[in-house]
Amino acid sequence: SQTIHQWPATLVQPVGSPLSLECTVEGTSNPNLYWYRQAAGRGLQLLFYSVGIGQISSEVPQNLSASRPQDRQFILSSKKLLLSDSGFYLCAWSERGQPQHFGDGTRLSIL
Amino acid sequence: QKEVEQDPGPLSVPEGAIVSLNCTYSNSAFQYFMWYRQYSRKGPELLMYTYSSGNKEDGRFTAQVDKSSKYISLFIRDSQPSDSATYLCAMHQGGSEKLVFGKGTKLTVNP
Repeated sequence: SQTIHQWPATLVQPVGSPLSLECTVEGTSNPNLYWYRQAAGRGLQLLFYSVGIGQISSEVPQNLSASRPQDRQFILSSKKLLLSDSGFYLCAWSERGQPQHFGDGTRLSIL
Repeated sequence: QKEVEQDPGPLSVPEGAIVSLNCTYSNSAFQYFMWYRQYSRKGPELLMYTYSSGNKEDGRFTAQVDKSSKYISLFIRDSQPSDSATYLCAMHQGGSEKLVFGKGTKLTVNP
């Protein structure tokens, strides 16, 4: 069966520091991969999605970037975090034409 | 007008009650409809996945889609305290993998 792993579960970072969040999927090949941010009262916002290695689509201009160095690995990065980057970050995967499945997220606090 | 509207609640019911959760949407091109359950500090978990109009039943859960009214519902029968969570509706067009989410309804089932 397929599983998705996200780490870390919780992260506290100072303003201006870099960020790297990692997501890996097991048990499937060539999945679609997604990064979302969930802010209180604002629902789930799609940040990036990828249909293959090196193929990244950005949905919202922002301080973040994403990379897919391997088929089942998706990384969310920032060079310099802003206070507004605080939130709950969720990775998801899907097979073509199938619903998305989510990891348990990373709660990011910026101080 | 927002693409997907969902009453945030909170909704509080006694154990054993029938719960009705709803979303309305404005984009008539949406064809695929999902309900996710999200426990506190966890990622969303797929509950129901339906295509086009009609009903789908899975145990105590029933999903309904009325495309003519642009209205979807999730019914929970014999609700349990373990059903206490936030329920998110989501949908997308055919040929697109991008989900549009409601903001979620917080449900509490009291023993």
